[in-house]
Amino acid sequence: DVKVTQSSRYLVKRTGEKVFLECVQDMDHENMFWYRQDPGLGLRLIYFSYDVKMKEKGDIPEGYSVSREKKERFSLILESASTNQTSMYLCASKGAATGNTIYFGEGSWLTVV
Amino acid sequence: SQQGEEDPQALSIQEGENATMNCSYKTSINNLQWYRQNSGRGLVHLILIRSNEREKHSGRLRVTLDTSKKSSSLLITASRAADTASYFCATGHSGTYKYIFGTGTRLKVLA
Repeated sequence: DVKVTQSSRYLVKRTGEKVFLECVQDMDHENMFWYRQDPGLGLRLIYFSYDVKMKEKGDIPEGYSVSREKKERFSLILESASTNQTSMYLCASKGAATGNTIYFGEGSWLTVV
Repeated sequence: SQQGEEDPQALSIQEGENATMNCSYKTSINNLQWYRQNSGRGLVHLILIRSNEREKHSGRLRVTLDTSKKSSSLLITASRAADTASYFCATGHSGTYKYIFGTGTRLKVLA
């Protein structure tokens, strides 16, 4: 069965901390995505990656960076967490093996205090 | 701004009734997908319709696409309490890996 796994379901971090959100997919997908979801705003794309070490900015990249050193893993990094980054973060992947369907992880709830 | 905009934002119906939600978009698409999200969980793919298709069915789901009006609708027939969730459309476009999601329709099915 297709699986996108996000390492942490709930996190509480302090302002200024460096935060890593990890995502692993087991479908050999080329494309991986990080979204954040806030009430009333839907899903907003932060970054996406179409290959190892390749990345492109989404609609709201400010305050975030990403890393994709291996095909199956895509990390989202908050260099210095701020309270306005409190949100639900969703990782997703898509690839030729499974057509155009996007597969999502269960989400990571991040609270920055 | 979001490409896909779902309408209505919220919908409340009785079990057994049909639920219809709509999605509008601004620029031409390769395909349009519908997703479901239970509260606090990730999104789950429901159905994909390509730009050259007009209608598609999957179980109790029926999706239509009108490219001239840049809109799609999702119909859930004979709804159940378990259908209570948020539903999102996502549009795929030529020349980009990005999919753009709307803000969703919150469906509540009352038992």
